[in-house]
Amino acid sequence: NAGVTQTPKFQVLKTGQSMTLQCAQDMNHNSMYWYRQDPGMGLRLIYYSASEGTTDKGEVPNGYNVSRLNKREFSLRLESAAPSQTSVYFCASSEGTGLGSPLHFGNGTRLTVT
Amino acid sequence: QKEVEQNSGPLSVPEGAIASLNCTYSDRGSQSFFWYRQYSGKSPELIMFIYSNGDKEDGRFTAQLNKASQYVSLLIRDSQPSDSATYLCAVNWRGTYKYIFGTGTRLKVLA
Repeated sequence: NAGVTQTPKFQVLKTGQSMTLQCAQDMNHNSMYWYRQDPGMGLRLIYYSASEGTTDKGEVPNGYNVSRLNKREFSLRLESAAPSQTSVYFCASSEGTGLGSPLHFGNGTRLTVT
Repeated sequence: QKEVEQNSGPLSVPEGAIASLNCTYSDRGSQSFFWYRQYSGKSPELIMFIYSNGDKEDGRFTAQLNKASQYVSLLIRDSQPSDSATYLCAVNWRGTYKYIFGTGTRLKVLA
């Protein structure tokens, strides 16, 4: 049981390049999330998908797009990377029902934009 | 104004002692509360969650919630050096997508 799997683990991009971060969960969770974590700022929500077929903006969506490919997979795309997007990115999933079920995180992607 | 506040630490405790980590939140609509442990360079790992006022115990960990005072705490009994990590407090607003995280408290357990 892998939980939440993210790829790649590390990535270096040049300004203006594009890339897609992949995320898959095998817990049959309904909701999936993309966060970024920066020193001193905590985890901030980029986009989320409450259920298959829906996506919505979070706190810091500018410069990103997402796709909920199916119930298992939720990808994050940077169309034109900027140095301000240097961060650690975490995908998470939750059952998405009731009182606010716990988030389960993937291992993260460390992205550096030069 | 931060919605979830934690002392950044470091909080240093000797091995075997009780570590007490605190978190305050501003939104009275918050219903669910979570504690995550994050080792340096790793992802957040769920430790405890609590929905109701009072205490919830799981092994060496106890979560305490006081909605009237808007704080939630985590007690770690018999602290071990392996407990040294950053502990993140998170709250969920009314069962929605909105999870707000504190910036974490760094705990150091001294052998």
